[in-house]
This record gives sequence, structure tokens and C-alpha cells, in this order.
Amino acid sequence: EVQLVESGGGLVQPGGSLKLSCAASGFTFSESALHWVRQVSGKGLEWVGRIRSKANNYATAYGESVKGRFTISRDDLKKTTYLQMNSLKTEDTAVYYCTRHLDLFDIWGLGTLVTVSS
Amino acid sequence: DIQMTQSPSSLSASVGDRVTITCRASQNINNYLNWYQQKPGKVPKPLISSVSSLQSGVPSRFSASGSGTDFTLTISSLQPEDFATYYCQQSYSFPTFGPGTKVEIK
Repeated sequence: EVQLVESGGGLVQPGGSLKLSCAASGFTFSESALHWVRQVSGKGLEWVGRIRSKANNYATAYGESVKGRFTISRDDLKKTTYLQMNSLKTEDTAVYYCTRHLDLFDIWGLGTLVTVSS
Repeated sequence: DIQMTQSPSSLSASVGDRVTITCRASQNINNYLNWYQQKPGKVPKPLISSVSSLQSGVPSRFSASGSGTDFTLTISSLQPEDFATYYCQQSYSFPTFGPGTKVEIK
């Protein structure tokens, strides 16, 4: 079965850190570009960042609101991508989705909720 | 960054109505325009890629068109399961989404 499964969400204080994981199955993970997209409750979708495949030098890119604070990595042997989030702010509170991009975001995980609050 | 806008932000329609949603990009994005459907509490579902290519399993009542900066999504005969929020998204550069159009029951 083709799927992505996120984990690692939870409650964290402002200024804290959290690392999300996204495990893949059912498709050729190593050749895929993986993205993170987040959604504040009741609001729209915001692109967080992406990591490309080994063939594309594992190139990463980030949205302006998270640049310098978030880092995306991947482990092709474990078929897992990670989102390291540092210096978290209350406005980072959202559901974080992992998604694969081919022509569009064609595979989505169910998401994991990150709540940044004191 | 490329900004995406959608209109209307919401609409009320009846089953059987023809519905059109407009998406506009702040610059030319060629054919790199995709559409998603999201129901409350659910994951976004990919509908259409590259302006007009329906994803597998998407009903033919959905269609889309456009070029350059202006794009439309049309539902020819609205069904009960189509009440949802629709997002456009450009993949010409770093991805950005439109703010969404909520289609509600009239």
C-alpha cells in the first residue's frame, strides 16, 4: 500500500524544538522529492519545505516563515524523511503533512499536530 | 514568491449546479497549476495536475483550464460529495497554494 505516515507531533513550549518523522511505503522512496506542508486549524495550506532525491543532490528549500529554523533531511535506507523544527513560535502551531511531489502533491500522510504553547 | 489568489472565497450552491472557481497567479506559471479538494478533518485530495489533467479516479464532472496567470476549475453538476474546500497550487517555483474556495450547500 502506498502511504506516508507522520509521527513526532506534540506540545512544545515557545523557543523549543521538535523533530517530526515521515515513514514511506509502497513506492520508490529514494527517487522521490518529499515535501512538508502545514495547515493551521481552519486555515489554508502552507508549504514548509522540501528535500529532493540523491540524484538531485538531496537539495533542500524552505518557505520564508521557517527558513533558518527548520531543517529537512532524509534516510533512504529507512524510507523516512524528517523535519527538525527549532526556535518554535506559537504561530508554528499546525497540522504538519508529509507529501510526495511528482506532477503535483500526489501522496499525503494523515498529518501530525504540533502545538506550540506555554 | 508567487502569490496565488482564488475567487470566490466561498460559494453556496445546490446539487446539480454548475460551479466555477477562479485561480490567479501573480506571474506567469505556464502550465504548472494543480487543484486539490479538502473535506473537513481530511487530507487534501489531488484532483487535477498541469492545468487540466484529471487524477485517476476523479469524476469527469470535474474539469479545469487556463494558461499563464488565469485558471479555472469547473464542476459541471455538483454532487453531495463535492461540498468541500478547493485549493489551487502552483509548482512553477517553490510551491504556493491559493487561500481556498469553500463550496457550501445552498
